[in-house]
Amino acid sequence: LAKTTQPISMDSYEGQEVNITCSHNNIATNDYITWYQQFPSQGPRFIIQGYKTKVTNEVASLFIPADRKSSTLSLPRVSLSDTAVYYCLVGDGNAGNMLTFGGGTRLMVKP
Amino acid sequence: NAGVMQNPRHLVRRRGQEARLRCSPMKGHSHVYWYRQLPEEGLKFMVYLQKENIIDESGMPKERFSAEFPKEGPSILRIQQVVRGDSAAYFCASSLAGVRTDTQYFGPGTRLTVL
Repeated sequence: LAKTTQPISMDSYEGQEVNITCSHNNIATNDYITWYQQFPSQGPRFIIQGYKTKVTNEVASLFIPADRKSSTLSLPRVSLSDTAVYYCLVGDGNAGNMLTFGGGTRLMVKP
Repeated sequence: NAGVMQNPRHLVRRRGQEARLRCSPMKGHSHVYWYRQLPEEGLKFMVYLQKENIIDESGMPKERFSAEFPKEGPSILRIQQVVRGDSAAYFCASSLAGVRTDTQYFGPGTRLTVL
């Protein structure tokens, strides 16, 4: 089962760019990398998904190096409302459709 | 377009009672997933259902827990004879298709407290 490792917590200030890196050394060939955001007392919210190189949407960018053993979620110019837990998920091709959540990264954005 | 809906949002039960959690997927979605989250932890997969079928229940406890997704109506997660250890947030997600890369959209969750 592909396992992910990401920092437990990170602090930032409003207006800064935040990069959260996730390690997934055992990623399988057919696995995609997905990031979710979760606010307290709410369900996770999909942020971005990618397979290789770079993916960008209106919320974030996802950078994946050629070996795919890690990925970096980049949040441009964070605001206080970006304070949340961010989960990096990597699928196991044999695990069906379940999502496997690790502990996530608690991002605290300060004024 | 309404998102995934769950009710109740909060549920309090005494030990030994039954808990019924409901999930209405997004419009057009026929794939439903249930997850459980303990405080300060990530979500843990419980079960994956399509209409009238259980596809994967590898994360479901063997006893007291059951899930269904009937042809009509919401998906139901049922916990019989609840114990204090069942206290958690239960999240439902839905997806349009059942492929691995399909985005799962989560509901707001039901917070179960067992007294």
